[in-house]
Amino acid sequence: QVQLQESGPGLVKPSETLSLTCAVSGYSISSGYYWGWIRQPPGKGLEWIGSIYHSGSTYYNPSLKSRVTISVDTSKNQFSLKLSSVTAADTAVYYCARDRYLGAFDIWGQGTMVTVSS
Amino acid sequence: SYELTQPPSVSVSPGQTARITCSGDALPKQYAYWYQQKPGQAPVLVIYKDNERPSGIPERFSGSSSGTTVTLTISGVQAEDEADYYCQSADSSGTYHVVFGGGTKLTVL
Repeated sequence: QVQLQESGPGLVKPSETLSLTCAVSGYSISSGYYWGWIRQPPGKGLEWIGSIYHSGSTYYNPSLKSRVTISVDTSKNQFSLKLSSVTAADTAVYYCARDRYLGAFDIWGQGTMVTVSS
Repeated sequence: SYELTQPPSVSVSPGQTARITCSGDALPKQYAYWYQQKPGQAPVLVIYKDNERPSGIPERFSGSSSGTTVTLTISGVQAEDEADYYCQSADSSGTYHVVFGGGTKLTVL
């Protein structure tokens, strides 16, 4: 079955860049679909960060667009998130997910908590 | 910016029907999706394209759409259905982007 697993530092300093990777197993990213990142601050709701098509086309949340880069590495069957100039407001659980229709997240990773603190 | 509006909370007794609404101006033009999230777990897609149910999701979960409002209905609510529910859609009026509602806490009394 298709599985997604996030990885990356759990602690990032303010003003630095948050970097996460999502490894996909059970499905080849190059075969299709979009692949997305969603975050959830503690005790709050879900926020879409952005999605990438398997070919590399990207779609970002306008409120984060200036700081976000999502890329895909089909050779490693993974995709990545970079969020620059982080502040405490970026502290959240970050999820990666398969995005079937650009806004239809049918398979999710377990999530990884990222804290922004000095 | 585009928003999807959900009630913060809904409460029902076991066996009753729970209805959770989601309102947004673009909903007549864009599909809606619903996710269930239990504490400490990742969200699970329970309804896609307004009213389609993924495999493995119980039949008591259904979705409907009317104008600018979509509704998630859970018939014969069970204790295990207690969770947060989020609607999600998209806004294509400018740059296409995905939007989540604020979430609704379903309490089974």
